[in-house]
Amino acid sequence: DVKVTQSSRYLVKRTGEKVFLECVQDMDHENMFWYRQDPGLGLRLIYFSYDVKMKEKGDIPEGYSVSREKKERFSLILESASTNQTSMYLCASTPGRLATEAFFGQGTRLTVV
Amino acid sequence: GNSVTQMEGPVTLSEEAFLTINCTYTATGYPSLFWYVQYPGEGLQLLLKATKADDKGSNKGFEATYRKETTSFHLEKGSVQVSDSAVYFCALSDEDAGNMLTFGGGTRLMVKP
Repeated sequence: DVKVTQSSRYLVKRTGEKVFLECVQDMDHENMFWYRQDPGLGLRLIYFSYDVKMKEKGDIPEGYSVSREKKERFSLILESASTNQTSMYLCASTPGRLATEAFFGQGTRLTVV
Repeated sequence: GNSVTQMEGPVTLSEEAFLTINCTYTATGYPSLFWYVQYPGEGLQLLLKATKADDKGSNKGFEATYRKETTSFHLEKGSVQVSDSAVYFCALSDEDAGNMLTFGGGTRLMVKP
């Protein structure tokens, strides 16, 4: 069964902390994505990756970075967490550049205090 | 650029009522269209999809027809259940935009017994 796993369901961090959100997929998918979900704004793309060590900015990359050292793992990094980064973060993957259906993790609800 | 517009919620219905959630899109190419569902506390999962004009996607009693002439992909269900309470997202994937998924803002459905 297809699986995308995010390391934490809930996180509480302090302003200024460096935060790592981890995502692992077991389907050998090439493409991985990080979205944030906020009420009334839907899903917004932060960063994505089509291959190992490759990354592309999405619509709202400011304040974030990513790392993809292995095909199955895609990490989202908040360099210095701020309260406006309190949100639900969703990781997704797709098999191959021309594939269309995305598989999502269960989400990480991050609160920055 | 691409965009997806769906009706704002929440939509509140009684059990066994008829459901319609409107979705219209703008795309530069010839997109594939999707409906994703997010149950409380979970990530998104694919509900149904359609890849070309006049295709009908269906799953779990839900249906949506790809209407190219009206650029629409409205979600319908003849008789909703309490278990259908969730947030529904319309989305498109356009090969001209690298097959990135573009999401609508989401519509929360609440079904009362």
